[in-house]
Amino acid sequence: DGGITQSPKYLFRKEGQNVTLSCEQNLNHDAMYWYRQDPGQGLRLIYYSQIVNDFQKGDIAEGYSVSREKKESFPLTVTSAQKNPTAFYLCASSTTSGRLETQYFGPGTRLLVL
Amino acid sequence: EDKVVQSPLSLVVHEGDTVTLNCSYEVTNFRSLLWYKQEKKAPTFLFMLTSSGIEKKSGRLSSILDKKELFSILNITATQTGDSAIYLCAVGAGGTSYGKLTFGQGTILTVHP
Repeated sequence: DGGITQSPKYLFRKEGQNVTLSCEQNLNHDAMYWYRQDPGQGLRLIYYSQIVNDFQKGDIAEGYSVSREKKESFPLTVTSAQKNPTAFYLCASSTTSGRLETQYFGPGTRLLVL
Repeated sequence: EDKVVQSPLSLVVHEGDTVTLNCSYEVTNFRSLLWYKQEKKAPTFLFMLTSSGIEKKSGRLSSILDKKELFSILNITATQTGDSAIYLCAVGAGGTSYGKLTFGQGTILTVHP
C-alpha cells in the first residue's frame, strides 16, 4: 500500500524546544517537500529536496532545518528560532520520471505551542 | 516574485448549484497549473493543465486554463455535500524553480443540503 506517512498527527512544543516532524514515503519518489499551512494563506514552501543528500530552502526556511539521508525519509526540525511555529505542516513527494510538479501529500502534522 | 491569487476566498451554496472557482497567476517561466481538493488533511490532486492540455474534465468537475489572460477556472456542476472542501490552485514553474509549486490562498467551499 504505497503512500506518504507523517507522524505524529499532533505535536506540542514548549518554549525553547526543538521538535522533529517525520515524513516517510514508499512511492519511490525522488523529490520531497515540506509546506506550512496557516489559515487564509494557502501552502508555503519551507524546504525541498530533489535528490538524496541535497536540499534547498523554500520561501520560509528561517527557523527550520531538514536532512535527506535516505530517499524514503525527509524529517523537518522546527527549531527554537522559529518564533511562530503553530501551524499545519504538510509533506509531499513527486517523481522525476514524470511531471515533477505533480506532488502527492501526506496527512499532515498539527504543531501547537504550549 | 511568483504570485497566485484565488477568488472567492469562501463560498456557500446549496446542493445542486453550479460553482466557479477562479485562479489568476503571475509566474516567471510558467510550466503548469494544478488544482487540489483538501477536505480535512492531505490535499488530493484533481487536475494539471499545461500548454498542451488547457482543458480537463472528470465527472462533475472541469477546468480550463487561459495562458493569454493568466487564469484558470474550476467548475463544479450539481454540487453535493461531499464537495465541501478547500480548493487549492498551484502553479509550477520551469528553469531554476522546476518542481516547485506556488500556491494560492485557497477557496473554502461549503455545500449545504
